[in-house]
Amino acid sequence: DTGVSQNPRHKITKRGQNVTFRCDPISEHNRLYWYRQTLGQGPEFLTYFQNEAQLEKSRLLSDRFSAERPKGSFSTLEIQRTEQGDSAMYLCASSLEEGGLDYGYTFGSGTRLTVV
Amino acid sequence: AQSVTQPDIHITVSEGASLELRCNYSYGATPYLFWYVQSPGQGLQLLLKYFSGDTLVQGIKGFEAEFKRSQSSFNLRKPSVHWSDAAEYFCAVYAGNMLTFGGGTRLMVKP
Repeated sequence: DTGVSQNPRHKITKRGQNVTFRCDPISEHNRLYWYRQTLGQGPEFLTYFQNEAQLEKSRLLSDRFSAERPKGSFSTLEIQRTEQGDSAMYLCASSLEEGGLDYGYTFGSGTRLTVV
Repeated sequence: AQSVTQPDIHITVSEGASLELRCNYSYGATPYLFWYVQSPGQGLQLLLKYFSGDTLVQGIKGFEAEFKRSQSSFNLRKPSVHWSDAAEYFCAVYAGNMLTFGGGTRLMVKP
C-alpha cells in the first residue's frame, strides 16, 4: 500500500468551469476526509465518509461542492461553477476507526486548485 | 466547539538549538491531540499523538510533546534542530469525528 493518493496534483481552471478531484485512501481504512487549506492557514474540515456514507458536511461546503465515495473505496470531490475563492489546496485523508477511536489520519499530498 | 491556537506564526532557530512550538486547545472533554508537519507543497505527516496515559509522548524525527491539562497545552519540543526540520507545523485536536487544526507555525532554521 502506497498511502493516500490524490489526483491531479495541480489543476488550473477558468472561473465558472467544473472540476473534479479524486482520492484513493489506504485500502483498510474505513474513514475518508476532505479538507481545504488556503495559503498560510491550517486545513479546514469539509466533509467525511464512514465507508460509503457521508456523515458530516461543513457549512464551508456550499451547494456547488459535492463529494461521493461509491462502494466505500475511492472518493471524488466536485466543484461546480468554480470561483476565484475556491483556489486552495484540497487535502484528502483516511483513517481507521474502531470502537469509537480514530487512530490518526494519513494525508495525501493534496490537489492544488487555481481558479483564474 | 473545539479550537486550537498556535500563538507563534513564525519561529527562527539556529541549527543545533532547542525548539519549542506552542499549542493551546479548547475542548470540554479529554482531548485527543496531534502534531503534524507539512513541507512546502506536500501533505501533512503525523509526528506524534496523545490519546491517554503518559503525558509526555515521543514521536518521529526526535520530537516529543507534553500534554498539560491545567494549561490546556500540548507543546512540541526537540532538543536539537536540524536544517531539514524547516517546515510548517500544525497542532490539532480530534473531537466530533474530525480533526480541528491550528493556524500553524512556520519554522525556519538558520545555519
